[in-house]
Amino acid sequence: DAGVTQSPTHLIKTRGQQVTLRCSPKSGHDTVSWYQQALGQGPQFIFQYYEEEERQRGNFPDRFSGHQFPNYSSELNVNALLLGDSALYLCASSLVGTPNTEAFFGQGTRLTVV
Amino acid sequence: SQQGEEDPQALSIQEGENATMNCSYKTSINNLQWYRQNSGRGLVHLILIRSNEREKHSGRLRVTLDTSKKSSSLLITASRAADTASYFCATADTGRRALTFGSGTRLQVQP
Repeated sequence: DAGVTQSPTHLIKTRGQQVTLRCSPKSGHDTVSWYQQALGQGPQFIFQYYEEEERQRGNFPDRFSGHQFPNYSSELNVNALLLGDSALYLCASSLVGTPNTEAFFGQGTRLTVV
Repeated sequence: SQQGEEDPQALSIQEGENATMNCSYKTSINNLQWYRQNSGRGLVHLILIRSNEREKHSGRLRVTLDTSKKSSSLLITASRAADTASYFCATADTGRRALTFGSGTRLQVQP
């Protein structure tokens, strides 16, 4: 049973460019959440998708957008990249209606903006 | 913004010793979870404790939760060099879907 998979593993982009990160949830999960983790910090919630809609959003600008596909996979898009967007981006999957169960995380995408 | 703080920020112990990490949070929660992270990679779930539970065990892990003090502790007994990692607490707040993480404790276990 595959867990949460993210691609790519590493990415280097130039300031001002746009980036798309991808996530496939754990089999049987229907909800995908995205987190940003700056170096030395804990992950910060970006947003969550369920039934192809954004259900909740953290304190991130509109440059951060996402999408969920019918197969529950998800993309995170970041426009007009800033140096401060350099971070590890983590995807987590879970099953809706099960608030007291764990979320499963992928290995992350390390984004470096130069 | 971070939900709360882990304490200590860093901890260095010898193999075989116990490691205790503390976590504080600010809001009402459904549950509190502890995760481990090796070298800035993905998070591995360790244990979940519900808001109506006070203590939970899993192998060498013991977690306590005090909702009146809005705090939790993670105890790792008989630590091993392989336990070297960063440990994060995360809360699932009442009425919210997101996990809110603390800033983490970096644990170093010396062989």
